Amino acid sequence: DGGITQSPKYLFRKEGQNVTLSCEQNLNHDAMYWYRQDPGQGLRLIYYSQIVNDFQKGDIAEGYSVSREKKESFPLTVTSAQKNPTAFYLCASRLEGIGSEQFFGPGTRLTVL
Amino acid sequence: QKEVEQNSGPLSVPEGAIASLNCTYSDRVSQSFFWYRQYSGKSPELIMSIYSNGDKEDGRFTAQLNKASQYVSLLIRDSQPSDSATYLCAVRRNAGGTSYGKLTFGQGTILTVHP
Repeated sequence: DGGITQSPKYLFRKEGQNVTLSCEQNLNHDAMYWYRQDPGQGLRLIYYSQIVNDFQKGDIAEGYSVSREKKESFPLTVTSAQKNPTAFYLCASRLEGIGSEQFFGPGTRLTVL
Repeated sequence: QKEVEQNSGPLSVPEGAIASLNCTYSDRVSQSFFWYRQYSGKSPELIMSIYSNGDKEDGRFTAQLNKASQYVSLLIRDSQPSDSATYLCAVRRNAGGTSYGKLTFGQGTILTVHP
């Protein structure tokens, strides 16, 4: 069963804690992305990675970190430096290429208590 | 000016009508255009992609692209209550430069189809 999986589906964090969101894909996609969505708003890009061991900051990278040690995996860490982390986090992936399409995982809803 | 701007909603249409969703973009070198549907509490689902000027039809959905006017639209014919969702327009420069082919999204338009 191919696709993009994210875990956990819901995550609760106390202020001052770091948390790591998992994203795995078995589509053999090259590029992977992390987005954040706040209520009533569009998606904002946090980080993206085109190949293993390489990643780039998106538009709102402050307070987040990522790694890309394997092609299938692109975990996102929300650090205590992120001032307003409560949001819906979406992972996406795509094959490299001009006409390729980007697909999303089911998302993780993070709430800071 | 926002990079990708969608018509303000919410948009409400009766069942069976045509719903028209509009999107303008500012980057003239954009080459790939996408429409995603997002149900409340769920992740976005790709419903249409378009790369060339003109119309592209898929079932009840038609995407229209006009690069000269920097405009892309989505028409939903015979709208159904199950089409009620937020529709997101996304634009991508293709490979080249430092963009890594990333998508830029509009803020979304909420569509409600009432029986």
